[in-house]
Amino acid sequence: DQQVKQNSPSLSVQEGRISILNCDYTNSMFDYFLWYKKYPAEGPTFLISISSIKDKNEDGRFTVFLNKSAKHLSLHIVPSQPGDSAVYFCAASDRGRLGGADGLTFGKGTHLIIQP
Amino acid sequence: DVKVTQSSRYLVKRTGEKVFLECVQDMDHENMFWYRQDPGLGLRLIYFSYDVKMKEKGDIPEGYSVSREKKERFSLILESASTNQTSMYLCASSPQGAGAFFGQGTRLTVV
Repeated sequence: DQQVKQNSPSLSVQEGRISILNCDYTNSMFDYFLWYKKYPAEGPTFLISISSIKDKNEDGRFTVFLNKSAKHLSLHIVPSQPGDSAVYFCAASDRGRLGGADGLTFGKGTHLIIQP
Repeated sequence: DVKVTQSSRYLVKRTGEKVFLECVQDMDHENMFWYRQDPGLGLRLIYFSYDVKMKEKGDIPEGYSVSREKKERFSLILESASTNQTSMYLCASSPQGAGAFFGQGTRLTVV
């Protein structure tokens, strides 16, 4: 049973436009959400996170929105740049359980392609 | 900056071999993890550890074991490598209640 879902395996966006990556979750105990970016043959790199007590967090070109009632979060990248082409993973944690020590639950990823 | 270092970027091993994947972190994090990444499956948790000598099974522990004798080091062991363990292996560490920092990954091929 997949607790974190990224329903779009790939997304193509023109350079300079907004990229919106979506993520849904089913476990209502998740209270911390993260986005990671991954290039081929490298480890994932942390991008941005959001706690369940917030509905928005912004860091430069990256903004994450959380809608708890819908169990949905999204990552907005604006403006999109060629270096943003990568696989993006959504992840979630239940920090009430072992302080999150039992790891993150990941979605399957979305391959973002920025077209020149 | 947090540094998580995996001992090898690429490994090729034969079926039946015992394989050790080593991971070291330099930020005194309590928690360490081993994931594997496969196309279309995302990242799946193999084992995790929240303290020295403590280890817990993740979602897919079968065919693997781990060792954590020192806080900074977390080893993944494939007791008898099989072709279905060909994958990208990712080590991560995290402090309590925060997100994980990943190593560069080890691409393991079992032939």
